[in-house]
Amino acid sequence: AQSVSQHNHHVILSEAASLELGCNYSYGGTVNLFWYVQYPGQHLQLLLKYFSGDPLVKGIKGFEAEFIKSKFSFNLRKPSVQWSDTAEYFCAVLSGGYQKVTFGTGTKLQVIP
Amino acid sequence: EAGVTQSPTHLIKTRGQQATLRCSPISGHTSVYWYQQALGLGLQFLLWYDEGEERNRGNFPPRFSGRQFPNYSSELNVNALELEDSALYLCASSFRGAATDTQYFGPGTRLTVL
Repeated sequence: AQSVSQHNHHVILSEAASLELGCNYSYGGTVNLFWYVQYPGQHLQLLLKYFSGDPLVKGIKGFEAEFIKSKFSFNLRKPSVQWSDTAEYFCAVLSGGYQKVTFGTGTKLQVIP
Repeated sequence: EAGVTQSPTHLIKTRGQQATLRCSPISGHTSVYWYQQALGLGLQFLLWYDEGEERNRGNFPPRFSGRQFPNYSSELNVNALELEDSALYLCASSFRGAATDTQYFGPGTRLTVL
């Protein structure tokens, strides 16, 4: 069965620090990859997605992620975080069709002003 | 444009009872997905409905069931509630159900089983 690992459960950064959140998945075939974000008190919303093409994907609010097939990874990055980036971030993988998306357990990011 | 809506916001039930959760997708979306977000377990895929049919389900027992109505809204039913069913249940919708379609999430229904 497909699994998604987010190794960092809770990350605390100061404003302007760089961010990298790890995401690894287990499926060896074709995958579609997502990062979702949940700001405090808000719905889950899509940050970015990868389906094919350029493995470096740019999303909203300055976030980007790189798909490295050989490492089964899709890490999320942002060069300089802001206090407003405080949220929970979820990596998700869609594999094998039938729209069955597997989510990681999430990483809580706290940005200190 | 109105987003995905879910009702009720909170639901409190006792063991053995049945719970019914409702979801209205974004207008024009035909696919509805249900997820369970239990503490410490992350989001787990429950069910996918498209055009009124159940297309896929996750690793949940048959007492988790649902349906999709002609207006594409959906209902999730949980029978014979158990304490471990306490969770946030999220509904999402997408335009068609193709792999490239983004899923948009609702605010969730918090189910508490006592």
